[in-house]
Amino acid sequence: GNSVTQMEGPVTLSEEAFLTINCTYTATGYPSLFWYVQYPGEGLQLLLKATKADDKGSNKGFEATYRKETTSFHLEKGSVQVSDSAVYFCALSRGGDDKIIFGKGTRLHILP
Amino acid sequence: EADIYQTPRYLVIGTGKKITLECSQTMGHDKMYWYQQDPGMELHLIHYSYGVNSTEKGDLSSESTVSRIRTEHFPLTLESARPSHTSQYLCASSPLVGDQYFGPGTRLLVL
Repeated sequence: GNSVTQMEGPVTLSEEAFLTINCTYTATGYPSLFWYVQYPGEGLQLLLKATKADDKGSNKGFEATYRKETTSFHLEKGSVQVSDSAVYFCALSRGGDDKIIFGKGTRLHILP
Repeated sequence: EADIYQTPRYLVIGTGKKITLECSQTMGHDKMYWYQQDPGMELHLIHYSYGVNSTEKGDLSSESTVSRIRTEHFPLTLESARPSHTSQYLCASSPLVGDQYFGPGTRLLVL
C-alpha cells in the first residue's frame, strides 16, 4: 500500500543552521507530494508541493525536489530561524478520490 | 487564505456528556475531513465526506459520528464523551481536485 516515512524528531538546530528533514514514500503510479507545517496551537498549512518527477516545490525559503528514482521528497532550508520551529509533515496523494497519506511528523526546534 | 473555522477551540467536559464539534468552510469545497491528532502528533483520519449526504468512516475507528447536510458544514458528535476521547481534532476541506486546507483545531479534554 501507499505510505510515507519521515525522519523521527525532535530535530534541534541553532539559528542560521542548514536544515534537512528526510522523507521517503511508497506508492503506485505517480503521486503528488506535499510538505505541511503545523505551528504551535494551529492547524496544518500547506508549505509546498510537487506534482511530478524532478519538480521542485519551494516556499518561505524551504525547498523539496520530487525524486522518483530514490522515492524521496526531502525538505531543506539553507538558514533556519527561530520562527521555523514547528511540526513538519510529509504527505502524498494519488489524486481523485484517494485520500492524503501523512507521515508521522517531525518536530523542529530552533535555538536562538 | 483558507477560510475554514472550528469551534470551540478548547473544550473541557465531564464523562458522559454529549458534545458537538463544529467545522465550517466558506470556500464551497466538496470534500471535508476530520482527523484526530494524538500527543505524538500523528494524524488519524476518522471521517470524511465527498459531498452533501455523503459520509464515510476513515482509517481509525472512532465512536464519533458526522453529518453533511450542507456543503459548508461538517459537525462531529460524540454521544457520550469518555477520557479516551481526549485529543486534538482537526477539520479540513478540499475541492474535488486540489489541496487540503485545515482549520485551527479543537483541543478536547474529557475529565
